[in-house]
Amino acid sequence: SQKIEQNSEALNIQEGKTATLTCNYTNYSPAYLQWYRQDPGRGPVFLLLIRENEKEKRKERLKVTFDTTLKQSLFHITASQPADSATYLCALVDNDYKLSFGAGTTVTVRA
Amino acid sequence: DGGITQSPKYLFRKEGQNVTLSCEQNLNHDAMYWYRQDPGQGLRLIYYSQIVNDFQKGDIAEGYSVSREKKESFPLTVTSAQKNPTAFYLCASSIDSDNSPLHFGNGTRLTVT
Repeated sequence: SQKIEQNSEALNIQEGKTATLTCNYTNYSPAYLQWYRQDPGRGPVFLLLIRENEKEKRKERLKVTFDTTLKQSLFHITASQPADSATYLCALVDNDYKLSFGAGTTVTVRA
Repeated sequence: DGGITQSPKYLFRKEGQNVTLSCEQNLNHDAMYWYRQDPGQGLRLIYYSQIVNDFQKGDIAEGYSVSREKKESFPLTVTSAQKNPTAFYLCASSIDSDNSPLHFGNGTRLTVT
């Protein structure tokens, strides 16, 4: 099965800066990759899906890239705000068509 | 307002007791899932169901059981055979079992002492 690695360190950034999160996977490249946001004590909320033939996807201040050569997805939060503070999870489909999740990266945006 | 409801939010049980976690959805989704979340680990799939009256084991099904008698409901029973049952349990649903995004409930935190 896929091994998914996200930034192990928490990310602390100043308001207004760009946060960049990394999601690396080890085996075959999935057909698509998803990103979720999770707040403490709550379930994850879907943010973006990017397919293997899409290099980049944007939604408001969020941008996701997908590099199948590097086996990596980058998740960017531009013009970050304190309200963006949360844990961000990447997920990709495994070889048996089930969704596997990374452990997540916790982002804290300081005002 | 459509969504997934998990209840209760917090659950406490003594070791050796079975406990059932509730999950109800009014999104008319075909697929439903149970995940377990432990600190520092990714979500791990326990069971999933693609249609009513059918379900499959996920990666960590041992010590758990499910049923899918209705489209809206997918209860999870944590049995006394589960060695480390204390965790945060998340239920999710999706339109289908392909690349559709998952909609999650807000979880049940189970503590077994």
